[in-house]
Amino acid sequence: EVFLVQSSAEVKKPGESLEISCQGSGYRFPTSWIGWVRQRPGKGLEWMGMIFPADSETRYSPSFQGQVTISADKSITTTYLQWSSLEASDTAIYYCARSGFSGYGMDVWGQGTTVTVSS
Amino acid sequence: QSVLTQPPSVSAAPGQKVIITCSGSGSNIGTNSVSWYQQLPGTAPKVVIYDNNKRPSGIPDRFSGFKSGTSATLGITGLQTGDEADYYCGTRDSSLSGVVFGGGTKLTVL
Repeated sequence: EVFLVQSSAEVKKPGESLEISCQGSGYRFPTSWIGWVRQRPGKGLEWMGMIFPADSETRYSPSFQGQVTISADKSITTTYLQWSSLEASDTAIYYCARSGFSGYGMDVWGQGTTVTVSS
Repeated sequence: QSVLTQPPSVSAAPGQKVIITCSGSGSNIGTNSVSWYQQLPGTAPKVVIYDNNKRPSGIPDRFSGFKSGTSATLGITGLQTGDEADYYCGTRDSSLSGVVFGGGTKLTVL
């Protein structure tokens, strides 16, 4: 069975850096796109970007380009989402998801990581 | 403002049918397959329709999908209270080389 397991909730202060993770299992990790999706409190899904672990090709939404960094480590089947300087507006639940269907349809989702940024 | 347009909310009685619409453009729905996601309160999204009209294993045939041109629809028949959730459409956008979602539709089963 295919799983994506995300790291635990984080509480950070504005200006701090953060990296959250998403570990895949049960499938050929390098050859599936993994995307990251933001969901702010009470709001809808926002696609942030995605990575193809085999060659680390990365694509970002224009809204998130330069705001976050997506990376992957094939050796431990893990992808990462990183911020260098958090803002209060980054408070949200972040999901990783595998694009296993055509049209980048997401067939497997992680459980979500809650990030709270508050002074 | 989402790239794909969905109604904010729909409602129907138990046992009835509801249709949720998703409108896009030639660079997204017009040229790529559409998926639909169900998000129950407090949980991660789950795909209920992929490739416009296919159901993953475990999704009942009460759920159906249809695409025509630059629009797609999700139909749910025999509504149950357990179907109350937020529903999102999503697809690839060829001009963005990424994914776009609709703003989400809240389904209420009265």
